[in-house]
Amino acid sequence: AQTVTQSQPEMSVQEAETVTLSCTYDTSENNYYLFWYKQPPSRQMILVIRQEAYKQQNATENRFSVNFQKAAKSFSLKISDSQLGDTAMYFCAFMKYRGAQKLVFGQGTRLTINP
Amino acid sequence: SAVISQKPSRDICQRGTSLTIQCQVDSQVTMMFWYRQQPGQSLTLIATANQGSEATYESGFVIDKFPISRPNLTFSTLTVSNMSPEDSSIYLCSVRLAGGRYNEQFFGPGTRLTVL
Repeated sequence: AQTVTQSQPEMSVQEAETVTLSCTYDTSENNYYLFWYKQPPSRQMILVIRQEAYKQQNATENRFSVNFQKAAKSFSLKISDSQLGDTAMYFCAFMKYRGAQKLVFGQGTRLTINP
Repeated sequence: SAVISQKPSRDICQRGTSLTIQCQVDSQVTMMFWYRQQPGQSLTLIATANQGSEATYESGFVIDKFPISRPNLTFSTLTVSNMSPEDSSIYLCSVRLAGGRYNEQFFGPGTRLTVL
């Protein structure tokens, strides 16, 4: 079974700073997907960024980028020029490439951006 | 993406009663899922809602407690039966869109359930 671990329950940074959220996972699969989801206080889950394990290039979406280290089974999220609207819970999630399409989530990191 | 709505958005229920939560999507989807998020916790998959057949339940979740229907491609319901305070959670549906890329799943706004 796959497991996802987020070792930082809470983080807090000043607006405009860069912050990195950590995620590690355990799997015997070779091909899979990794995702970061954001859940603001409104509780709507929003997909932030995704990574395909067969791609070596790290995914980037505007101010959000990942550092994907397949051998180390590490998938960290970097938020550059952080904004107040980035305040939310962030969940790392794993999905197999084939078979069951379920998402396996980490415990989450509560990120607060301070003005 | 797609517009995913859930009804009700929140409810307060008495122990022993049942609540049915609806999930409606404005686009064609290939798969629909139901997740539970207990207070302060992460999300756990309850089941995959299959169109025209019985849902596929994850370990620890049973049909008698969480019956699910999916009569068409864009609509599903989850019932929380014989509720107890331990069922107080946020229940979220998610979908994989037809033609969607990279197995992305999009989530509804959730239903916050409180059981007294």
